Amino acid sequence: KAGVTQTPRYLIKTRGQQVTLSCSPISGHRSVSWYQQTPGQGLQFLFEYFSETQRNKGNFPGRFSGRQFSNSRSEMNVSTLELGDSALYLCASSTRVATDTQYFGPGTRLTVL
Amino acid sequence: AQSVTQLDSQVPVFEEAPVELRCNYSSSVSVYLFWYVQYPNQGLQLLLKYLSGSTLVKGINGFEAEFNKSQTSFHLRKPSVHISDTAEYFCAVSDQSYGGSQGNLIFGKGTKLSVKP
Repeated sequence: KAGVTQTPRYLIKTRGQQVTLSCSPISGHRSVSWYQQTPGQGLQFLFEYFSETQRNKGNFPGRFSGRQFSNSRSEMNVSTLELGDSALYLCASSTRVATDTQYFGPGTRLTVL
Repeated sequence: AQSVTQLDSQVPVFEEAPVELRCNYSSSVSVYLFWYVQYPNQGLQLLLKYLSGSTLVKGINGFEAEFNKSQTSFHLRKPSVHISDTAEYFCAVSDQSYGGSQGNLIFGKGTKLSVKP
């Protein structure tokens, strides 16, 4: 069974630009969550999508948005990039059964110059 | 709201020695508890999880953790570590009442385990 895939793996952008990251969940998983990992703040929850609907959102500005498609693939978008957005962005997929396991992808390393 | 505190940011240990990575949590509701491991340039891998039942949980790679409700702790242990255990370890919680999902994990800051020969 293929794992969670994220594309691209590495990305370099400049301040003010926007970026879109993609996540393909494990087959059969309909829940996708996104996390930001930075050395200073650690791992922080961004949002979760299930059946194309955002179910919960973390404490991030509106520049961070996401969506989920009917095939459960998810994208997150960051507009007007800031230097502080440089981070590893991880997505995780699950069946959304409370006792099930979340499986994480390898992440997308975003560098903002 | 929940929070997770990992008491040690770095833990150096010699190969074949035992190790304990400490985790305390704060929550006003019942939670599920997890330990994840992250190797360099990789995503997170689940080591073990506590959902209910026995407070001693066994995971992969010889790790185990004990849930202590009175002390709100979930410490991770391994009786004998290997060089390959060198990685960063994260403790996490999720609210049991959260819509039937673990989608909103709250993580600790992580503990870097360094195993020396």
